Formats: sequence, C-alpha cells, structure tokens
Amino acid sequence: AQSVTQLDSQVPVFEEAPVELRCNYSSSVSVYLFWYVQYPNQGLQLLLKYLSGSTLVKGINGFEAEFNKSQTSFHLRKPSVHISDTAEYFCAVRRDYGGSQGNLIFGKGTKLSVKP
Amino acid sequence: NAGVTQTPKFQVLKTGQSMTLQCAQDMNHNSMYWYRQDPGMGLRLIYYSASEGTTDKGEVPNGYNVSRLNKREFSLRLESAAPSQTSVYFCASSEMVMETQYFGPGTRLLVL
Repeated sequence: AQSVTQLDSQVPVFEEAPVELRCNYSSSVSVYLFWYVQYPNQGLQLLLKYLSGSTLVKGINGFEAEFNKSQTSFHLRKPSVHISDTAEYFCAVRRDYGGSQGNLIFGKGTKLSVKP
Repeated sequence: NAGVTQTPKFQVLKTGQSMTLQCAQDMNHNSMYWYRQDPGMGLRLIYYSASEGTTDKGEVPNGYNVSRLNKREFSLRLESAAPSQTSVYFCASSEMVMETQYFGPGTRLLVL
C-alpha cells in the first residue's frame, strides 16, 4: 500500500539557519509528490510538487525539494529560514491505484519552529 | 475570488446532535474533498466527489454523509455526532481528481 512517512514530528531551528524536513514514501507505481504548508489556524497551501522531469523542484517562499527514487525520499529544504516559516509542513503522495485513485495520502506532518 | 470557503468556522455539539458543514468553491473546479485533521495523524480523506453528481468514500467515511449539491457546493453531514468526531475539518477542491488541491480555512468541531 502507498504511504508517506515524515520522520520528524517537530524541528526547531534558529532564524537564518538552513533546514531540511524529511519525507519518505512507498509507492509501487508512478510517483507524484507534494509538499503543503499550514500556517497557524489556516488551511493548507501548496508549496511545491513533483510530477515528472527534473528531480529538483523549486517552490514558493524559497523552498525546494529533491526527488530521490533510489532512496524513495522527497526531502524539503530551505537554505535560510525566517520566523515567518514557522508552520506545519505536510508531505503527500498521490494514490495511483485502488479505491480513491488520484487522491492524496498525507504524512503526519512536521512542525517547524523558527526561533530568533 | 474567495477560493474555497467553509462555514461555520467553529462549532460545539453535544453527543447525538446532527449538523452539516458547508463548503463552496468559486474556481469552477470539478472535484471536491472533505478531510479531517487530528493531532499527529495528518489529514485523512473522509469523502470526495470527482465530479458533480458523484461521491465516493475515502479513508474514514463512517459516521458521515455527503452531498454534492451542485458544481460549487459540497456538504458534509454528521447525523449523530460522537466525541470521536471532534476534529478540524477541511474542504478542498481541484480541477480534476489528479490536479492540485486547494484548501479552505477549516471548521473546528468540538463534540461534548
């Protein structure tokens, strides 16, 4: 069955430091991957997505992610974080077979806390 | 252009009461979704509607019903609320099932 594992539930980091949020997936068919961000008391917003092509995907707010097929990973990175990046980040994979085909399977989320 | 809107923003129910959560989108999207979000669980799909006139179960449909009223609106109904349904509910829409989903601001539901 397809699944998404976010390895860290919480990541504290100081402002202007680099950050990496880890995501591993399992999928036996073609892979379509997403990162969403949820700011406090808001809905989810798409950060970036990988559908095909270049394995390095650039998103909004300076974030990027790299698709690594051999390691089944899609880690999210930012070279220098700001206080405003404090939010919860969700990795998701598109379901490609069975019931609910085409729908998203979400990881449990990683809370990024940026400290001054 | 409001995107995806949800009402109400917050609701408190007693066990056994019923209520309907409303969702509307103004992006002319074909597909709409209802998720619930619980701490440490991520988002789980309750029901979705691939297109107007169709609805299908997601991962956690028990205790819920949905209605795709028209292309814009997709409601979620709790017939007899239970404390286990205390959660934050998100509606989302996309042009097609395979496309990027856009989320509403959520409804916080507390069942006592």
